[in-house]
Amino acid sequence: NAGVTQTPKFQVLKTGQSMTLQCAQDMNHNSMYWYRQDPGMGLRLIYYSASEGTTDKGEVPNGYNVSRLNKREFSLRLESAAPSQTSVYFCASSVLAASYNEQFFGPGTRLTVL
Amino acid sequence: KNQVEQSPQSLIILEGKNCTLQCNYTVSPFSNLRWYKQDTGRGPVSLTIMTFSENTKSNGRYTATLDADTKQSSLHITASQLSDSASYICVVRSYSGGGADGLTFGKGTHLIIQP
Repeated sequence: NAGVTQTPKFQVLKTGQSMTLQCAQDMNHNSMYWYRQDPGMGLRLIYYSASEGTTDKGEVPNGYNVSRLNKREFSLRLESAAPSQTSVYFCASSVLAASYNEQFFGPGTRLTVL
Repeated sequence: KNQVEQSPQSLIILEGKNCTLQCNYTVSPFSNLRWYKQDTGRGPVSLTIMTFSENTKSNGRYTATLDADTKQSSLHITASQLSDSASYICVVRSYSGGGADGLTFGKGTHLIIQP
């Protein structure tokens, strides 16, 4: 039982390049999330998927797209990377996007955009 | 606007000592409050989740308290160990508002335990 896994762990991009961050969970959770964490700031929600087949924008969605491929997998795509997207990206999942449900986080992807 | 403020920003204590981290929030309507531990280079891991009716909740040497009237929470660490060195994040869930997920994250307290 691996929990939430993310690939890659590290990535360096040049401005304008594109890439996809992968996330998978094996806990049969319905809801999945993408956050970014920047120094001196709290985690900020980029996109989330309350259930398979649905996705919604979070606080900072500009420059990103997501795909809920199936119940297990939720990917985050940067179409044209910018230096402002240098950050640590965390994927998380929970049973349901409601109330008391605990979120489980992946180990993160450290992205640098030059 | 919903906000979660944590203090201190950073804290250094000696191994074996106790410490208390603070969290003040202005989230409404309140649903629950969570404390997470984030080791360097890792994702956050849940320590406790408390609803408005729970005043105290423990997880080993970690004890969280909640005062829903004053909108304050604290995380007390007893007999600290080197492995307690981490960032501790307070997160408050609202039934509405906050992020699209209903969550407002604090910036965290960076705790360093020295031998």
